Formats: sequence, C-alpha cells, structure tokens
Amino acid sequence: ETGVTQTPRHLVMGMTNKKSLKCEQHLGHNAMYWYKQSAKKPLELMFVYNFKEQTENNSVPSRFSPECPNSSHLFLHLHTLQPEDSALYLCASSQDPGQGYYTFGSGTRLTVV
Amino acid sequence: GQQLNQSPQSMFIQEGEDVSMNCTSSSIFNTWLWYKQDPGEGPVLLIALYKAGELTSNGRLTAQFGITRKDSFLNISASIPSDVGIYFCAGLDNYGQNFVFGPGTRLSVLP
Repeated sequence: ETGVTQTPRHLVMGMTNKKSLKCEQHLGHNAMYWYKQSAKKPLELMFVYNFKEQTENNSVPSRFSPECPNSSHLFLHLHTLQPEDSALYLCASSQDPGQGYYTFGSGTRLTVV
Repeated sequence: GQQLNQSPQSMFIQEGEDVSMNCTSSSIFNTWLWYKQDPGEGPVLLIALYKAGELTSNGRLTAQFGITRKDSFLNISASIPSDVGIYFCAGLDNYGQNFVFGPGTRLSVLP
C-alpha cells in the first residue's frame, strides 16, 4: 500500500472515446502530479496541483484535461486521444511542491486503439 | 530545461555482484532522490539526499550526493534477483518546485 491509489490499472480506449483516470492519496499531502511514462523516455511531468490549484501545465495537449476537486483526489479526463498517447500514466503526491519526495501510485496502463 | 543523465543505460550482472550507477547533470541540484520501478508498477523511493556530500544507506543500498551538487551515485551490494528493475534518479530543479527525472538504468540480475 503506497498511499496513492490509481484506477483503473489498465484501460483500452478508442480514439473517439471519453474516459477518466482517477488518483486518490491518503497521505495528507497538499501537492499532486500527473506524469506520463512512455517506453524508453524519461518521466514527463504533465500537471501539478497545489492545494487544489493548478500551478503547472507542461504544454500538454487539450485532449488531456485534469481536475482536482480536493487535495486528496486528482482526475485526468481523456478525449479524442491518439495512438501515441498510449503510455503508463502515473500519479504522485508530495507534502508540498519541491518538498521532501514524491510518492507514486502504481499507474494506469493506457492503450489507445 | 534542466536534464539528468544516467549511466549505464542498462546492465546485466550476476547474482551476488555489487552494482554502481550514477546520475549527472550540467546543472546544480539541491535534492537528489533515487527510485526503483518494478515492471507494471510506479516508482518507489529508495533513498533521499538533501545535502552535498551526504552519504546515506538503506540496507544493501548506498547513495551519495556529489560534492559539486551536479551528480549522485547509487551502489547496491550483493545483488539478488529482486533487485531487477529500473532505477531512476531525480533532482529538485532550480526553482525548488519540481523534480526532474533521469531516463533510468535498467538492471538485470542473472542467477
């Protein structure tokens, strides 16, 4: 139990579908993050939320839409994705941005067909 | 932006051997983290380093925060099969807001 739970673990979706990824942390952290991990590439930071407010959007296409209703929950809404968006999407949290270390969830393996 | 390099990219070792890997950058970092990722899972924190020159151990793992603050090293002693995975370093960027991750070192342990 890492304290950061992601659902679903696996997702296959068509390019015209709309789906959402969910992340929940039980660590009392104030900052939450979405990362994309593609094969043979470094982890790519997508979004940062601090106290529910988005503080960074790392030039992510608008077909990815994050939502952070409270400090414990983070969503990534997906629509009209492309096959190259297939990757492992990781959620992480930390006490505050740049403080301590990140705790990661197990990720959602997304396949776009 | 700031980037981290990790070497080697991959390595195959015999069970029982010691392992050394490093993480380098042309930029200064103020915090270094080492993570391990098992297949199909998220990265798990191994060691955190907060001060230049700091040497920290976690069981068979030892990591050091380089004196120049531009590098860090991770050593694993007496490797075992469950050490297999990808090892990532991460450094806290200049603004002190986000961690930059290296591309990883993939470790395979042969029985």
